[in-house]
Amino acid sequence: QSVLTQPPSVSGAPGQRVTMSCTGSNSNIESGYDVQWYQQLPGTAPKLLISNNGRRPSGVPGRFSGSNSGTSASLAISGLQPEDEAEYYCQSYDHILGGFVFGTGTKVTVL
Amino acid sequence: DVQLEVSGGGLVQPGTSLTLACEGSGFNFGDHGMHWVRQSPGGGLEWVAGINWVSESIEYAGSVKGRFTISRDNSKGSLYLHMTSLRPEDTALYYCARDSSNYYSYVDFWGQGSLVTVSS
Repeated sequence: QSVLTQPPSVSGAPGQRVTMSCTGSNSNIESGYDVQWYQQLPGTAPKLLISNNGRRPSGVPGRFSGSNSGTSASLAISGLQPEDEAEYYCQSYDHILGGFVFGTGTKVTVL
Repeated sequence: DVQLEVSGGGLVQPGTSLTLACEGSGFNFGDHGMHWVRQSPGGGLEWVAGINWVSESIEYAGSVKGRFTISRDNSKGSLYLHMTSLRPEDTALYYCARDSSNYYSYVDFWGQGSLVTVSS
């Protein structure tokens, strides 16, 4: 059972900008815990895409960006590429549950 | 290169036990917190358990607390998950994952995972 809510799917044509949200509650995102984003290509393990709300690890393309308003987080992909077709998960910490929590996942489709 | 190799998965009957092992290489294993995360077939990610670098702090998801035990042996560069009283809903691909810090910060690297199927 996921604690963080994401839209099930988003889609866009190559080159377009898409965004997806990650909504939590006052025991996780709204308490100020950082949000991470992971990309999971079909049949592979997840890969870290964004850490600490908006930091891109080395090797992650600049078209990926993250933000956190304090009540929810967002991931944007600017200049969508065919290889971006994947499942995306947000993640944070929940102090009531006492551990990491993941989002429900968003499937990105490149039209 | 950083690698996390998981072994020990398989098909087991409900109510039985199974232990997963994860061997890390390509990095200083003892400097990092470690986690187990699972993914049911066609489902999303679920954090299972975490352990800090010296095993002083251990946390579990409510769904496995009292049934699963996470442990590590830094001298062997290995992480373990001992699972008891297994249920069909524990069927999942189990990932071994490295924390970016020596405590609980976030996962910065994932292994390939091992499938555990609980069925009679």
